[in-house]
This record gives sequence, C-alpha cells and structure tokens, in this order.
Amino acid sequence: GENVEQHPSTLSVQEGDSAVIKCTYSDSASNYFPWYKQELGKRPQLIIDIRSNVGEKKDQRIAVTLNKTAKHFSLHITETQPEDSAVYFCAAHRDYGGSQGNLIFGKGTKLSVKP
Amino acid sequence: SQTIHQWPATLVQPVGSPLSLECTVEGTSNPNLYWYRQAAGRGLQLLFYSVGIGQISSEVPQNLSASRPQDRQFILSSKKLLLSDSGFYLCAWSLKWVNTQYFGPGTRLTVL
Repeated sequence: GENVEQHPSTLSVQEGDSAVIKCTYSDSASNYFPWYKQELGKRPQLIIDIRSNVGEKKDQRIAVTLNKTAKHFSLHITETQPEDSAVYFCAAHRDYGGSQGNLIFGKGTKLSVKP
Repeated sequence: SQTIHQWPATLVQPVGSPLSLECTVEGTSNPNLYWYRQAAGRGLQLLFYSVGIGQISSEVPQNLSASRPQDRQFILSSKKLLLSDSGFYLCAWSLKWVNTQYFGPGTRLTVL
C-alpha cells in the first residue's frame, strides 16, 4: 500500500524567511497530493493541493511542487508570518477506480515562525 | 455550501464505558465519509470510511465500530472504552469522484 514520509518533523524559521516541507510517497499510481494546516486544537484545513498532471501550483505565499519521477512533493511558504505557525500535513491519494480512494497522511511537520 | 458537524465537542469518559460520536454533513448528497483519530501530538490515523448507507470499511482492527444509518450521518461507537482510545476524533467528507477531504471540528475524547 501507499506510504508517505514527511520531513522535517519540526521546523523553526525567522519571520520573513522561507519554509520548505518535503514528502515522499511510494505508490506511483497516486495522483492527488493535498496539504493541510492544523492549528493547535483545531481541525486540519486544506491549504493547497496538486494533481499528478501538474508540476507546480502557487497561491499567494504558498506553493507546491511535484516530481512524479522521484515520487516527492514539497510545500514552500515564502515570507513566513507568525500566523503560519502550525502543524502541516501532506497526503497522497490513490484512485482505486469508481468513487473510492483514500488519503494517506504524512506524520506532520510542526512549523514555528519566530517574530 | 457544505458544512460538517460533530458532537460532542469534548467528552470525558471512564474506562469500560460506551461511546457514541456523531457526524453529519449538510449541503451535499451521497458523500464519502471518514473517521480519523489523532493522538496528542501525532498524525492522522484513518479508522473507517464509508461510500454509502450501510457500507463501512475498517482500516485498523480495534474495539471501535462505525455505522452509517443515513446518507449524511456517520456514527463512531464503542461498547467498552480503553485508555488508549483517548484522542481527537475527526470526521471528514468528500464528494464522489473528487479526492479532496474536508474535516469536521472534531471531538476531543479523554478516557480516564
């Protein structure tokens, strides 16, 4: 089955710096890769996602890149702000056909942005 | 627009007591539904998913069970809670044919 590895587990940056979180997946049939942000005590919120037919996607200060050959994808946050501090989860989805498929999550990265 | 509700928000239960957590989705029909558990400071563990009424798939063997009595209602149950059942329980939904999952606000369960 699919396995998703996420690194680093913790990341501390200075406000204004960039942050990069990387994930690798094992199943080459995976075709959808979302990123979730979870603030303390809250639900995970989708922040950006990418599908396997796209190499890069950007939304303001957040971008995701996908390398299908190497089976890894990354989240890039530029000009970090204290409110970016949270736990970030990557996930990979394998389409089993029909309407069924599940997300396999990485273990999360705790990002701390110091003012 | 679609919304997802979970209740209760917090729950403290003694070991050996039963459990019933409820999740409902509004604004969509025939969604896929999911139950996740998140231990303190840990990742998301998929417990159950459902593609339709009465259709439940289990990902992890445990003393929990799930049911889907109505199209937009998903229930997580246990007959006897264990200490290890403590955690943050999240329900999620997705549209058929679309992979994106949206999470409910969660139930924080403490088993003492």
